[in-house]
Amino acid sequence: GAGVSQSPSNKVTEKGKDVELRCDPISGHTALYWYRQSLGQGLEFLIYFQGNSAPDKSGLPSDRFSAERTGGSVSTLTIQRTQQEDSAVYLCASSLILPEAFFGQGTRLTVV
Amino acid sequence: EDQVTQSPEALRLQEGESSSLNCSYTVSGLRGLFWYRQDPGKGPEFLFTLYSAGEEKEKERLKATLTKKESFLHITAPKPEDSATYLCAVSNYGGSQGNLIFGKGTKLSVKP
Repeated sequence: GAGVSQSPSNKVTEKGKDVELRCDPISGHTALYWYRQSLGQGLEFLIYFQGNSAPDKSGLPSDRFSAERTGGSVSTLTIQRTQQEDSAVYLCASSLILPEAFFGQGTRLTVV
Repeated sequence: EDQVTQSPEALRLQEGESSSLNCSYTVSGLRGLFWYRQDPGKGPEFLFTLYSAGEEKEKERLKATLTKKESFLHITAPKPEDSATYLCAVSNYGGSQGNLIFGKGTKLSVKP
């Protein structure tokens, strides 16, 4: 079947604007994760959804970041009032067997 | 503080020249250790999960091993198509299952 799909693949936005990044996980996968990867840095955990449980938001860097997962499937990561330090590749992953996660291609966000 | 350190940062090999990549970790309680492969412009691809010291996993030319302080990814007779960045990550019992702590990776280049 299809893998994890993320859109858009690239996003350039002006500082101060809000952006929404979308993730379509693999059908049937109950767990969904968001990570971000900055140049020269390791992957940084942002948020984790598992079934109907309350999400683990402990990795969100500020209150400008939020995420939701509708109907246990599609997820949207929203960044409000973007800053230049938000520039990174945002990766979504899903899994059925924790934590053998399958990652999407990522959304490259550039804040200018 | 839980952390993962990978070495070397970069490794250049000739085709057929076997070697090992190192992943040292410090965690409060290891739930599991994971190896991923990442090609440029793509999301990480899951390779292995190791849960306890002494465990080994193999896949084609790759073999992963685990001790109480580190993991090795052994590459036997590598081919140019093995060129990629190899990421190590750990999950600890103090965090949620979705909160993986990643190292910065080892960039492997295999020359024909």
